[in-house]
Amino acid sequence: GAGVSQSPSNKVTEKGKDVELRCDPISGHTALYWYRQSLGQGLEFLIYFQGNSAPDKSGLPSDRFSAERTGGSVSTLTIQRTQQEDSAVYLCASSLQRAGETQYFGPGTRLLVL
Amino acid sequence: GENVEQHPSTLSVQEGDSAVIKCTYSDSASNYFPWYKQELGKRPQLIIDIRSNVGEKKDQRIAVTLNKTAKHFSLHITETQPEDSAVYFCAASRGRGSQGNLIFGKGTKLSVKP
Repeated sequence: GAGVSQSPSNKVTEKGKDVELRCDPISGHTALYWYRQSLGQGLEFLIYFQGNSAPDKSGLPSDRFSAERTGGSVSTLTIQRTQQEDSAVYLCASSLQRAGETQYFGPGTRLLVL
Repeated sequence: GENVEQHPSTLSVQEGDSAVIKCTYSDSASNYFPWYKQELGKRPQLIIDIRSNVGEKKDQRIAVTLNKTAKHFSLHITETQPEDSAVYFCAASRGRGSQGNLIFGKGTKLSVKP
């Protein structure tokens, strides 16, 4: 079946603009995660969804970052008033039912803030 | 919260040699430990994982060992090949509820020289 997909694959924006990043998890996966990976760095956890609720938002770096998930499927990560330090690859992952199971990653969205 | 340390940050081996990457974790409640391989420009992909009720797991040339007492786990790659060259990430998770998201190490860049 289809894997995790993300769009856009690349996004270039100007400082101060808002951006929306989209994640389509594997069909039937109820758990969804967002991570951020800066160039040459590890994966930084941002937020975790179980169904439509987000029991763990602890990784969101500031109140400019928000995420939602509707219908237990697609998720959108929104960054308001983007800053240059927001430039990174944003990775989405999903797992079948709950945390602690194998996470399957999407290809990521490469965000560049000029 | 959980903290995962990974060593070394870079590792260079000759083709055919073995490679070992080590990780330590801080949360004694963590019980799920996956390893991901990320090739340049690609998404992270799970290569092997281990749960806390098991001390060792092997899959062909790859093995993972876990020492719960010392809170460390290691990835062993034998008979390395050039296609093993990539960045490897370890991770730890409590495996349930709102604290089940993965906490990643900073990665090890493995280079296998032909």
